[in-house]
Amino acid sequence: ELKVEQNPLFLSMQEGKNYTIYCNYSTTSDRLYWYRQDPGKSLESLFVLLSNGAVKQEGRLMASLDTKARLSTLHITAAVHDLSATYFCAVVPNAGGTSYGKLTFGQGTILTVHP
Amino acid sequence: EAGVTQSPTHLIKTRGQQATLRCSPISGHTSVYWYQQALGLGLQFLLWYDEGEERNRGNFPPRFSGRQFPNYSSELNVNALELEDSALYLCASSQGDKQFFGPGTRLTVL
Repeated sequence: ELKVEQNPLFLSMQEGKNYTIYCNYSTTSDRLYWYRQDPGKSLESLFVLLSNGAVKQEGRLMASLDTKARLSTLHITAAVHDLSATYFCAVVPNAGGTSYGKLTFGQGTILTVHP
Repeated sequence: EAGVTQSPTHLIKTRGQQATLRCSPISGHTSVYWYQQALGLGLQFLLWYDEGEERNRGNFPPRFSGRQFPNYSSELNVNALELEDSALYLCASSQGDKQFFGPGTRLTVL
């Protein structure tokens, strides 16, 4: 069964600081997604990573994927309060098997950015 | 372009009742996915429909069921509601690799 683990689960940052959220997964996949969720709201798609070595950047967030290590990172640069939210990574296994087509989510990382 | 829509926004039921949740995908999307986000359990995959067929389901009992209509909208039915079914139910649609999520239905079972 596919397992997706994020760390840290809780992250309290000061504005202006940098930090990285890690996402490890347990099976072969070259499709990894990052989502943001604000309290009581739905999921907002941040990044779709579809190949080994993929790197995507949007504003202060940058995501990368290493399929050999089964690891994705979400790097936050110079954090601002507006980035406070819960961040999820999610993985779809490669074709075949009973897991195909379904996103398996990590536990989520609750990010709080303090002034 | 309209996003994924879900109804109702909130639903309050008592134990043993049935709940029906509805989802309309983005126009042109043929796949619909259902997820449950329960407190303490994270986001869990429930069901995937594509072209009217159930393609995969998660580890949920048979009282969770659904269907997809010819216009690709979908229903999730939960029979014999239990207290632990209280959760945010999210629907997503896709065409290709990216899933777009709707605003969710918050189901409360009393």
